Amino acid sequence: SAVISQKPSRDICQRGTSLTIQCQVDSQVTMMFWYRQQPGQSLTLIATANQGSEATYESGFVIDKFPISRPNLTFSTLTVSNMSPEDSSIYLCSVVANWGTEAFFGQGTRLTVV
Amino acid sequence: AQSVAQPEDQVNVAEGNPLTVKCTYSVSGNPYLFWYVQYPNRGLQFLLKYITGDNLVKGSYGFEAEFNKSQTSFHLKKPSALVSDSALYFCAVRDGNPSGNTPLVFGKGTRLSVIA
Repeated sequence: SAVISQKPSRDICQRGTSLTIQCQVDSQVTMMFWYRQQPGQSLTLIATANQGSEATYESGFVIDKFPISRPNLTFSTLTVSNMSPEDSSIYLCSVVANWGTEAFFGQGTRLTVV
Repeated sequence: AQSVAQPEDQVNVAEGNPLTVKCTYSVSGNPYLFWYVQYPNRGLQFLLKYITGDNLVKGSYGFEAEFNKSQTSFHLKKPSALVSDSALYFCAVRDGNPSGNTPLVFGKGTRLSVIA
């Protein structure tokens, strides 16, 4: 199994500012995935973070708004930049392990932009 | 590309009655299928998964799901619903790539309401 430590667990931020979310995994993984869950909605994949290369973003998400770092095989950060109230969501990181048969999630970061 | 459809936004069931939450999927190759539950203001909780083997999968809290390859479905079921089962349920799929390089794709979710 994999244990993911994600922080902060929640934050209230002013519009126009940025927030960096951190995820630490207790084992080395090739890919880390970042999701957004808007209120009452499903999980939408933002990007895939691969160590040593630029993250791959899904349609509708851009690097300038959601820059991602992946400095090593156990850690990643997602920054939500120049925030607006529409960015208020839960952000989750995830890894897939055990030959792809299991997925693990951080506890999520509940972001409120005021 | 993978996709998941949960055709019902809301399912209402009386306590003690059986419940079914529907899920159909599309994936290239063999699917890995998952069900998660989310209670208000809580994180995702894993319920069960289908990787290979028996089509009927049993999971946590008395839930089970049946994999049907011909209908590309993976419906979640429980023989007798409890009020405490009321929550948001997500079906998810990934392709059977053992490298771990592909993420889960989630359905839109189904809100289950069990009425006493």
